[in-house]
Amino acid sequence: NAGVMQNPRHLVRRRGQEARLRCSPMKGHSHVYWYRQLPEEGLKFMVYLQKENIIDESGMPKERFSAEFPKEGPSILRIQQVVRGDSAAYFCASSPPNSGSTGELFFGEGSRLTVL
Amino acid sequence: GNSVTQMEGPVTLSEEAFLTINCTYTATGYPSLFWYVQYPGEGLQLLLKATKADDKGSNKGFEATYRKETTSFHLEKGSVQVSDSAVYFCALPSTNTGNQFYFGTGTSLTVIP
Repeated sequence: NAGVMQNPRHLVRRRGQEARLRCSPMKGHSHVYWYRQLPEEGLKFMVYLQKENIIDESGMPKERFSAEFPKEGPSILRIQQVVRGDSAAYFCASSPPNSGSTGELFFGEGSRLTVL
Repeated sequence: GNSVTQMEGPVTLSEEAFLTINCTYTATGYPSLFWYVQYPGEGLQLLLKATKADDKGSNKGFEATYRKETTSFHLEKGSVQVSDSAVYFCALPSTNTGNQFYFGTGTSLTVIP
């Protein structure tokens, strides 16, 4: 059973370009979470999605950032007009439905974005 | 809402030393508590968990006891190895439905031979 797959693992963009990060959850998982880890900082929640629905986007910056989890295909975190401060590791996690608060998150290996 | 406060690092220990990483929590009710570990260049993975008060989670020689009296979930290991060098995160779910987790700031551990 493949784990959470993220791609690309490394992405370099120039300021003003767009970054698209993809996440395929584990088989059978319908909940996807995106976290951002800035250099020398902890893990910050960004957004929680279920298929075709954004459940909680309280951690997403109001501008330039968007996320989706379509009925078919991976979840995508999109960053428009990137700036140097967006350089970070972006982690996706998934969990099965109905796992409740006793469940665990399964993390991908992360996508490391560098903005030049 | 729920939150965790984690001991700041970095922590540097010699091999076979005793490890404690402190974590205290604030929560409504008694949510499950978790420790995650992040090895260099990798994503987080679950290290251990405890689902109710007085439970002890354990894995790979690490232990943590869910103590509601002190609202703590400290991580301990009796004898660390170089391979334990990683960043350790305390975590708990939010009060909302679903598995939104809040993570501590992480404690970096380096074990030297």
